[in-house]
Amino acid sequence: AQKITQTQPGMFVQEKEAVTLDCTYDTSDPSYGLFWYKQPSSGEMIFLIYQGSYDQQNATEGRYSLNFQKARKSANLVISASQLGDSAMYFCAMREGGSQGNLIFGKGTKLSVKP
Amino acid sequence: EADIYQTPRYLVIGTGKKITLECSQTMGHDKMYWYQQDPGMELHLIHYSYGVNSTEKGDLSSESTVSRIRTEHFPLTLESARPSHTSQYLCASSEPGLVQETQYFGPGTRLLVL
Repeated sequence: AQKITQTQPGMFVQEKEAVTLDCTYDTSDPSYGLFWYKQPSSGEMIFLIYQGSYDQQNATEGRYSLNFQKARKSANLVISASQLGDSAMYFCAMREGGSQGNLIFGKGTKLSVKP
Repeated sequence: EADIYQTPRYLVIGTGKKITLECSQTMGHDKMYWYQQDPGMELHLIHYSYGVNSTEKGDLSSESTVSRIRTEHFPLTLESARPSHTSQYLCASSEPGLVQETQYFGPGTRLLVL
């Protein structure tokens, strides 16, 4: 079974609007962390935001926020005020606390921002 | 934030050649990783290391090998390149500890084997 599921292969958003990228996860470990990375066409992976399973509040980093719904096992990324430079692949990833600490990645969502 | 470097950025090579992809980081991170990623697809972990003289195989079987003689250096070697090895290879590092441990990535090497 997929541990990280990103159901949106591609998304379009108008510049300056907000967009939500979906991510659901599957784990029985009570301690885990959730990450979002951005991958532009140049190929590098850029860390965006982190949410811990015990964190009481949703994580925020500038225009990025993570809508963490623990009971639903979802960790959606919200990008506010989209910019043309936000066009990229976005990957959700999870680390389980009881594991060796390696990340498990989803298949990614390609976001295209329209001017 | 980690500074992590990969060379070469792009490599086109013929079948049967031996290649080494270089990865170095300047943050003194103990843990390092190699991922393989086909265009538009997810990342697959192929190797990782907990520190000097430690190497482990990842989730995806790979014909490549790695070594970790120095903390900052984690090269990946293919003894005999084949077209099936054509892919992007991403190196990452992290400081192990809490679940919050964040992996920082290099710019990647795009390999094309003819």
